[in-house]
Amino acid sequence: RKEVEQDPGPFNVPEGATVAFNCTYSNSASQSFFWYRQDCRKEPKLLMSVYSSGNEDGRFTAQLNRASQYISLLIRDSKLSDSATYLCVVNIKGGSQGNLIFGKGTKLSVKP
Amino acid sequence: GAVVSQHPSWVICKSGTSVKIECRSLDFQATTMFWYRQFPKQSLMLMATSNEGSKATYEQGVEKDKFLINHASLTLSTLTVTSAHPEDSSFYICSARLAGGVGTQYFGPGTRLTVL
Repeated sequence: RKEVEQDPGPFNVPEGATVAFNCTYSNSASQSFFWYRQDCRKEPKLLMSVYSSGNEDGRFTAQLNRASQYISLLIRDSKLSDSATYLCVVNIKGGSQGNLIFGKGTKLSVKP
Repeated sequence: GAVVSQHPSWVICKSGTSVKIECRSLDFQATTMFWYRQFPKQSLMLMATSNEGSKATYEQGVEKDKFLINHASLTLSTLTVTSAHPEDSSFYICSARLAGGVGTQYFGPGTRLTVL
């Protein structure tokens, strides 16, 4: 079983749509969780950290369910510029130290 | 702040040659740098953790004699792919963590290596 699993997509949605991505992780010792965004042929960039209480940053909402080892990202009112691959990332050693384990990513394509 | 650069951004070389990739933290000191590799449509995979002034720690399956890492200063780590072969063609990305061991990892823009 892969350590971090994501639906690869692609998700093709119209502008203004709401889209949700899911991610599961296998290591129950995972302590930190993140969503990164990666544009084609570019490095990944941190989108947001994910907390158990859930957190929101503008149009982006992230949720964590430790019991189910499940992470989600919700994007509301999609923009063309949201088109990218979204990477679910976990850190087993906690905080921002140690190794980051990346999922393969979910590709989002927002169409006009 | 927290800018990480990589050089070169892309390189094409012949099979059997060695290629050096530099990773620099431009406006901060990085005790630890990480080297990742990403094949097309695959996830980033950690290759090694590079600590300033000491030997790198390699992940399982990564040949330390093939991927030489040097972290001689708090702002520079280098990855040398020795005797490169076509299967080494990939996107190599470094990241740097602030000195003191806290804070997020900041990623470089990556180096695309193509071995003919």
